[in-house]
Amino acid sequence: SQQGEEDPQALSIQEGENATMNCSYKTSINNLQWYRQNSGRGLVHLILIRSNEREKHSGRLRVTLDTSKKSSSLLITASRAADTASYFCATNTGGFKTIFGAGTRLFVKA
Amino acid sequence: DTGVSQDPRHKITKRGQNVTFRCDPISEHNRLYWYRQTLGQGPEFLTYFQNEAQLEKSRLLSDRFSAERPKGSFSTLEIQRTEQGDSAMYLCASSKGQGADTEAFFGQGTRLTVV
Repeated sequence: SQQGEEDPQALSIQEGENATMNCSYKTSINNLQWYRQNSGRGLVHLILIRSNEREKHSGRLRVTLDTSKKSSSLLITASRAADTASYFCATNTGGFKTIFGAGTRLFVKA
Repeated sequence: DTGVSQDPRHKITKRGQNVTFRCDPISEHNRLYWYRQTLGQGPEFLTYFQNEAQLEKSRLLSDRFSAERPKGSFSTLEIQRTEQGDSAMYLCASSKGQGADTEAFFGQGTRLTVV
């Protein structure tokens, strides 16, 4: 079963615009992570935010976490064509496994 | 390359045959995970090793699936009597540490096609 659900399922923007993806989950978490996957390739870890954190930044990425709403958002600023990929949120509820959502497919037009 | 390595990258097999995939994690990583990913979906957790011990298995992992990590280094995932529904990308990941806040590094995956 997949704990996280990303919204939107697909997003198409122009280069230079910002892209916002949302993730909602169902149960309490230890942390939430965002991953990127280019077409047909393995996943690359982008950022991890702990349950007691509200916001984290990494380069052009900004992640927020609202545990009261069980939701997170990933903002990519000044998008580039190379940002075209699928983005997944993944939650850890304690223990060993991380549960992935179905992903948001981002297309950045040059 | 010191990342997670998976072999083979692609496997086409006939229904009913057995297949085995190998994963070499990053050398100092004590945790190893297997995931399965179908087209348009996120990865689904299959199983987890801490060193050589298999600590968790998903209900997705039927009796036809078995995974090992005999010396706490590389791992194998075997699927017996393959079915068309087994066609998917099988991803391996590894991480280091004891707590929950660890970053997992993924391999490129093995794409299985059952015909």
